[in-house]
Amino acid sequence: ETGVTQTPRHLVMGMTNKKSLKCEQHLGHNAMYWYKQSAKKPLELMFVYNFKEQTENNSVPSRFSPECPNSSHLFLHLHTLQPEDSALYLCASSLGTSGGANTGELFFGEGSRLTVL
Amino acid sequence: AQSVAQPEDQVNVAEGNPLTVKCTYSVSGNPYLFWYVQYPNRGLQFLLKYITGDNLVKGSYGFEAEFNKSQTSFHLKKPSALVSDSALYFCAVPPRNTGKLIFGQGTTLQVKP
Repeated sequence: ETGVTQTPRHLVMGMTNKKSLKCEQHLGHNAMYWYKQSAKKPLELMFVYNFKEQTENNSVPSRFSPECPNSSHLFLHLHTLQPEDSALYLCASSLGTSGGANTGELFFGEGSRLTVL
Repeated sequence: AQSVAQPEDQVNVAEGNPLTVKCTYSVSGNPYLFWYVQYPNRGLQFLLKYITGDNLVKGSYGFEAEFNKSQTSFHLKKPSALVSDSALYFCAVPPRNTGKLIFGQGTTLQVKP
C-alpha cells in the first residue's frame, strides 16, 4: 500500500463514451500528478496540481480533462478518446512541487489500465 | 533541459550475480537523481535518490547507486541479484526547483534462476 488509490484498475471504453478515472491519496500531500505510460514509450507527465491549482498541462489533448476538487482527490475525465489513448494512467502525489529536501519523492498508485476500442 | 537516458532496454542477469542498470544524465548545475522500480501490474516505487554528499547512495531492497560527476552517470547496482528483483527500472530527474519528475525510458531487469 502506497497511500495512493486509483479506481478503476481496468477500464474498457468505446470512442464515444465518457468515463472518469479517480485517484485518492491518504498521505497529506499537497501535489498530485497524472502520468501516462504507454508500451515502449517513456512515462509522460500529463498534469500537475499543487494545492488544488493546476500548475502544468503538458500539451495534453482536450479530450482529457483533469479535476482536483481538493488536495486529496484527483480525477481524469475522458471523452471521445482514440485507440492510441490506450495506456496505463498513473496517479502520483508528493509533499509539494517547489523543490526542497523531498523533491522527487513521488508516491504512485497502481494505475488504471485503459483500453479504447 | 534536464534529462536522463537509460541506454539498455533490457538487462539479463543470473541469480546471485551482481547487477548494474545504467543511467546517464544531462542536468545543469548540481543534479538530483532518482531510481524507481515498477513490478508487474503495479505502480512505481521509490528506490533511492542522490541529492548531495556521498557518491554511493543506498536504497531499498539492497540496491545502491553510484553518482559519477565526470561520467554524468548514476548507475543502479546490487551485489547479488534475486529473481524477485525482475522488474522495470526507471531513472529520473526533477527539473530545477520543481517536485515533478522526468523519467528515462526504463530498463527491464530479468533475473534468471
